[in-house]
Amino acid sequence: QSVLTQPPSVSGAPGQRVTISCTGSSSNIGALYDVHWYQHLPGTAPKLLIYGNSNRPSGVPARFSGSKSGTSASLAITGLQAEDEADYYCQSYDSSLSGVVFGGGTKLTVL
Amino acid sequence: EVQLVESGGGLVQPGGSLGLSCAASGFTFSTYAMHWVRQAPGKGLEYLSSISTYGGDTYYANSVKGRFTVSRDNSKNMLYLQMGSLRAEDMAVYYCARGYCSSGRCYPNDAFDIWGQGTMVTVSS
Repeated sequence: QSVLTQPPSVSGAPGQRVTISCTGSSSNIGALYDVHWYQHLPGTAPKLLIYGNSNRPSGVPARFSGSKSGTSASLAITGLQAEDEADYYCQSYDSSLSGVVFGGGTKLTVL
Repeated sequence: EVQLVESGGGLVQPGGSLGLSCAASGFTFSTYAMHWVRQAPGKGLEYLSSISTYGGDTYYANSVKGRFTVSRDNSKNMLYLQMGSLRAEDMAVYYCARGYCSSGRCYPNDAFDIWGQGTMVTVSS
């Protein structure tokens, strides 16, 4: 059980917008530690999608965006495409654990 | 090309030891913190360990503290993870990752911007 809570699954039709939440607490996201987001396809290396809460690395489409408020963060994907079907993870730091933590992961299904 | 390549995975008996390596290329290795992450079968990503640029500052997840040791050799562009007292629950794909920090005040909570392809560790008798 991670200290960062993500929904196990989300789904959307092609072209739609979906959001994936990452809910933490005052010892991690609420303590102003950055949140990063990754996309992971089975059998491949995870890919950095968002760093520092809302910044996109070069090469990541603008369809992906990140935000943070209070003790939660969100990843939004607009214009959903079949290739977006993957697992998504948030990452932050927890001062109670004195370590980096990942959320439990969210499986995105494109209907 | 910026690349990380893990090696050293394999089958090990419970209670045994195994050493993983991660070869870096295409970037100035000594200027980046490095990290280890794993994914057990059917599970999510799990953070394991971090090491600062010159190795003087390390972090470990509670699940591996005291059993795993991270190290690096900047002269060889190599990252290592020495694993001991291995348990069935350590069976996973192990990834090394490069830490990226845009503000200069991230470590160990860097963004992991480059990942290796992973190496599988199987713990079984």
